[in-house]
Formats: sequence, structure tokens, C-alpha cells
Amino acid sequence: RKEVEQDPGPFNVPEGATVTFNCTYSNSASQSFFWYRQDCRKEPKLLMSVYSSGNEDGRFTAQLNRASQYISLLIRDSKLSDSATYLCVVKEVWGSQGNLIFGKGTKLSVKP
Amino acid sequence: DAMVIQNPRYQVTQFGKPVTLSCSQTLNHNVMYWYQQKSSQAPKLLFHYYDKDFNNEADTPDNFQSRRPNTSFCFLDIRSPGLGDAAMYLCATSRGDREETQYFGPGTRLLVL
Repeated sequence: RKEVEQDPGPFNVPEGATVTFNCTYSNSASQSFFWYRQDCRKEPKLLMSVYSSGNEDGRFTAQLNRASQYISLLIRDSKLSDSATYLCVVKEVWGSQGNLIFGKGTKLSVKP
Repeated sequence: DAMVIQNPRYQVTQFGKPVTLSCSQTLNHNVMYWYQQKSSQAPKLLFHYYDKDFNNEADTPDNFQSRRPNTSFCFLDIRSPGLGDAAMYLCATSRGDREETQYFGPGTRLLVL
């Protein structure tokens, strides 16, 4: 069964903390990797794609280790507005199409 | 400015009473997807259309059907809703080429009484 596994959470952290989310995927043929953010009762929104060399967007850093089939998301200097569920997403591609496989998500609560 | 629109945002139906959820997009994307998301669970893909080609996931119950009359619209029909079908239903679109981002609508929350 093709799966994406994430830390169960929830993560409760103070403002300013650094937090890391971990994710593993089972299908070694997976091609593309993403982190989505989902606020309570809202739709998922793309936070960032994850590239093999690792990539950074402001306070957010994503890493990919294909050999270990492992993805991470690091958030520095947490803000109250970062409180949400973070979904690890893997795309399995065939031809020009592919489906997204979502992890269950890790909930983050940033406290004052 | 909305790109993926879902109607209604909240839907209440009775056990066994057919219901249709609507999705429209202004992005002119080739692919439209329907996901089911239950509380504290990952979104689960039900099916998708690549243009007019329908692609059903193997474990999607027959109770769920879909129609795509044109590029802009896609419908999810639940023929006989059960209590277990109460969930958030998310529509998403993508270009369907190497651009991989999926754009989600705000979802329709379905309640079955």
C-alpha cells in the first residue's frame, strides 16, 4: 500500500520556537514532493514544493532525502499565524499525469 | 477573484437522499479532482477527470459518481448518502502538464441526517 506517514502531533510550541516536521513515504518511485498547509475547516493550500537540493522560503526550509524516502519541514521563529495542520504530500507520476498522496497531517499550535 | 468555486459550502441531506455537489473553475485547467476528507484524516482522492477522460480510484464506492459537462464544471453525485459519507468534499484543479500544483476550492461540508 502506498503511504505517506507523518509525525502524529500535535506540536504545541511558544512563539519564536523552531519546529521540525518529519515525513516518510513508501513508494520509491515518487517523483514530486510538497508541503501543504490546511487551516481549520479550510482547504489545503500549497506551502512549498520540496526539491532534491533542499529549499528555503523565508522562515521555512524543506529537505528531501530520496535514499531514506524522508521529507522534512523546518519552521524558524514560529508565529501565532503559523498555527495550522501541515500536510506532507507526494506525487506519484505516470505519463504526464499523477495523483497526490496526502499524509494525515501534523497539527501545529503556536502559543503566545 | 476566486479560481476554484464550490457550491454549496454546506449541504445537509437525509440518509439515502441523492445529493449533488458542484465545482467550477476559472483557471481553464485540464484536470479536475474530487477528494473526500474526514475529520483528522488526509484528503482521499475519489476520482479525477483529465479533460473528458474519467479516472476512478479503485476503492471509490459505486455510490459516488461524477460528471464533467465542460472544462469549467465538475459535479459530484452521491446517489444514496449514508451516515459514513459525512465529510468535507474538496474539488481541486491542475494544468495536467508538468506544472504540478493543485489548486483547491474551499470545500463543501456534507452532513447526513
